[in-house]
Amino acid sequence: QVQLQESGPGLVKPSETLSLTCIVSGGSISSYHWSWIRQPPGKGLEWIGYIYGSGTTNYNPSLKSRVTMSVDTSKNQFSLKLSSVTAADTAVYYCARVLGSGTFRAFDVWGQGTMVTVSS
Amino acid sequence: SYELTQPPSVSVSPGQTASITCSGDKLGNKYASWYQQKPGQSPVLVIYQDSKRPSGIPERFSGSNSGNTATLTISRTQAMDEADYYCQAWDSSTVIFGGGTKLTVL
Repeated sequence: QVQLQESGPGLVKPSETLSLTCIVSGGSISSYHWSWIRQPPGKGLEWIGYIYGSGTTNYNPSLKSRVTMSVDTSKNQFSLKLSSVTAADTAVYYCARVLGSGTFRAFDVWGQGTMVTVSS
Repeated sequence: SYELTQPPSVSVSPGQTASITCSGDKLGNKYASWYQQKPGQSPVLVIYQDSKRPSGIPERFSGSNSGNTATLTISRTQAMDEADYYCQAWDSSTVIFGGGTKLTVL
């Protein structure tokens, strides 16, 4: 069964770039869309964007100017970069597999999440 | 931008039926999904495409979607169902989550 594991620094300084990687095991990254979702402490879920195995991307309009996602099929992993971070970007960041296409999307497999704190 | 609205909290007695609503403009014309999240854990998909259950999700969980409201129904509620529940939809190539509902089983 597919498993996801996020990795990356737990502390990022304000104005710098947050970088996270999600390793996909138990399945090929090529045949699905993959997404990043975050959750600030004590708050709800916010979708950041998704990337297909081919590299096609779609970002949340509210974050689009700061987000870059990429995929490395040789390593079966995908990555997130979020630039110019502020304290408002402090959150648990999840990677997830996207279920569906066309008229619906859902997230059927989630990583365990990684906490990222933005602080000097 | 599109918004989904959930009640902040819902309470239910063990063995009874819990209903959690999610409201959005013409939500019935879109597909709704639902996630369960327990403290310190990742969300788990419990309903997708309005009423489909992923493998491993008990039949006690069901969903419906019509008009402006999607509903997650949990029958014969158990203590283990106490969690936060989030609805989610897909609109204009964007994923939207509701604000979440805390289900208390007491």
